[in-house]
Amino acid sequence: KAGVTQTPRYLIKTRGQQVTLSCSPISGHRSVSWYQQTPGQGLQFLFEYFSETQRNKGNFPGRFSGRQFSNSRSEMNVSTLELGDSALYLCASSLVGRLGYGYTFGSGTRLTVV
Amino acid sequence: AQTVTQSQPEMSVQEAETVTLSCTYDTSENNYYLFWYKQPPSRQMILVIRQEAYKQQNATENRFSVNFQKAAKSFSLKISDSQLGDTAMYFCAFMRSDTGTASKLTFGTGTRLQVTL
Repeated sequence: KAGVTQTPRYLIKTRGQQVTLSCSPISGHRSVSWYQQTPGQGLQFLFEYFSETQRNKGNFPGRFSGRQFSNSRSEMNVSTLELGDSALYLCASSLVGRLGYGYTFGSGTRLTVV
Repeated sequence: AQTVTQSQPEMSVQEAETVTLSCTYDTSENNYYLFWYKQPPSRQMILVIRQEAYKQQNATENRFSVNFQKAAKSFSLKISDSQLGDTAMYFCAFMRSDTGTASKLTFGTGTRLQVTL
């Protein structure tokens, strides 16, 4: 059974550009969440999607957005990149109704903004 | 809002020994889940063990066990017979258990565990 797949693994962007990260959840998992991990702020929740709808959102500016497709694949977009957006972005998926069993994470996308 | 505190930034243990990682949390919820995740250099967060707050019995998974003290809001992880492959960052996490609604993980700052020969 394939795990959570995130692409690309590494990304270097210039300040002011925009970026799109992709996440393919485990087959059958319809809940997809995104987290940002930085040395200074640790792991912070970005948003969660289920059935193409955003159900929960963290405290991030509107430059951070996401979406989920009918096949549960998800993308997150960051517009007008800032140096502080450099981070590891982790995607996680779970079976709806079984969130208590924990999320399965991907290996993340390492974004560097220069 | 919930908070999770891990007061040990780094720990070291010799192979085959036992180590305990501490975690405390603050919440006004009565029903919730607690997790320990492991993040090796490969970056992938791996679920180590989970605990449901309404269960008094401490969870165990092979060499990993927890000491869950609900009244004290404490959730420590014990790793027995430590192995070199246990070297990683360990994160304690909290999640509300509202059935059928979205729920996010709130993480602690992590403990870096080094297993030595």
